[in-house]
Amino acid sequence: EDQVTQSPEALRLQEGESSSLNCSYTVSGLRGLFWYRQDPGKGPEFLFTLYSAGEEKEKERLKATLTKKESFLHITAPKPEDSATYLCAVEAAGNKLTFGGGTRVLVKP
Amino acid sequence: SAVISQKPSRDICQRGTSLTIQCQVDSQVTMMFWYRQQPGQSLTLIATANQGSEATYESGFVIDKFPISRPNLTFSTLTVSNMSPEDSSIYLCSVEGSGFLGYTFGSGTRLTVV
Repeated sequence: EDQVTQSPEALRLQEGESSSLNCSYTVSGLRGLFWYRQDPGKGPEFLFTLYSAGEEKEKERLKATLTKKESFLHITAPKPEDSATYLCAVEAAGNKLTFGGGTRVLVKP
Repeated sequence: SAVISQKPSRDICQRGTSLTIQCQVDSQVTMMFWYRQQPGQSLTLIATANQGSEATYESGFVIDKFPISRPNLTFSTLTVSNMSPEDSSIYLCSVEGSGFLGYTFGSGTRLTVV
């Protein structure tokens, strides 16, 4: 059974304080690992797809990396608008996404 | 990427009744997915809906409780039947993005059963 575990569950940061979110996974036949951002009352917003170990992708203050067992989402010099829940999901065969529990990030000014 | 319109955005329903949620996509898609997000939790896949065939349900979800229609390549509905307070959740539809842009999600339907 595919499993995704995210840590920490919650993260409080001061503005400008860089940090990393972890996503550990076990899956048979990884087709892709996805990062999403979810704001309260909204659906998840797509951030990145990673396909193979060693791959990295960046978008503004966010950088996602992938190894064979885990992925990291690095937030560099965060701003209050980066406050959200960040979700990690893996895709195995059959277009099925398995999500982790998410990390709630709060960036205080 | 596709744009998804989901209706209603929220509803408060009496136990024992049913609610049908609509999902409209601005482009033709082969597969549509329905997820549930229980309060404070992450997303769980309910079923996959292909046009012209019966939906495929994940373990723990059954057609009698969550009937799904997929009449064409841009539209799907999910019905939550015989509701109880435990069905209070956010329900989201999703489609696969084009060009490996990930999966796109609707804004969700926040359901409260009283």
